[in-house]
Amino acid sequence: TQLLEQSPQFLSIQEGENLTVYCNSSSVFSSLQWYRQEPGEGPVLLVTVVTGGEVKKLKRLTFQFGDARKDSSLHITAAQPGDTGLYLCAGAPNTGNQFYFGTGTSLTVIP
Amino acid sequence: NAGVMQNPRHLVRRRGQEARLRCSPMKGHSHVYWYRQLPEEGLKFMVYLQKENIIDESGMPKERFSAEFPKEGPSILRIQQVVRGDSAAYFCASSPARANYGYTFGSGTRLTVV
Repeated sequence: TQLLEQSPQFLSIQEGENLTVYCNSSSVFSSLQWYRQEPGEGPVLLVTVVTGGEVKKLKRLTFQFGDARKDSSLHITAAQPGDTGLYLCAGAPNTGNQFYFGTGTSLTVIP
Repeated sequence: NAGVMQNPRHLVRRRGQEARLRCSPMKGHSHVYWYRQLPEEGLKFMVYLQKENIIDESGMPKERFSAEFPKEGPSILRIQQVVRGDSAAYFCASSPARANYGYTFGSGTRLTVV
């Protein structure tokens, strides 16, 4: 089993604050994805990172893949209520057909 | 251009009944993945199918669960003789080839066993 641990598990912040969510593993992944899931819906893919050390930006969201391809972070600048949701990381191992999902970080942004 | 369509969105079954969950992949996608989400456990892989073939069912319970993806029609996840522990959200994802860079998920089927 290739475990992905996310921290924090829950996060409640005021609108306008910055935050970082972490996704850590002892396993190496060929790629890592971040998803956002809203209540009653399926996860929606935000980004995929492939290269160790890679940084991708999506508006106010910055994603980084660790140099060793074992961990990743998601940083949100000036959080807005629309950012509220469950953030999931998922890793694709070098072999095999499944992605391994973290247990998620539940983010609430208070107006 | 419809996304991944799952139905029903909500399904209630009594213990011992059968549950059938359907997934129509995005147009042009021939690879389908099923995942189960439990509140404290996150998303867990169940099965990976291509048209008419099961590629990887390593995440499927050995008994009562089966999946198919026929040449025509949606993929079906079938749970026989449901028990309360089967209550969960079941998600289907599709891709045009083996998904290396992420999935497009459907909205899920929430199964409740009473």
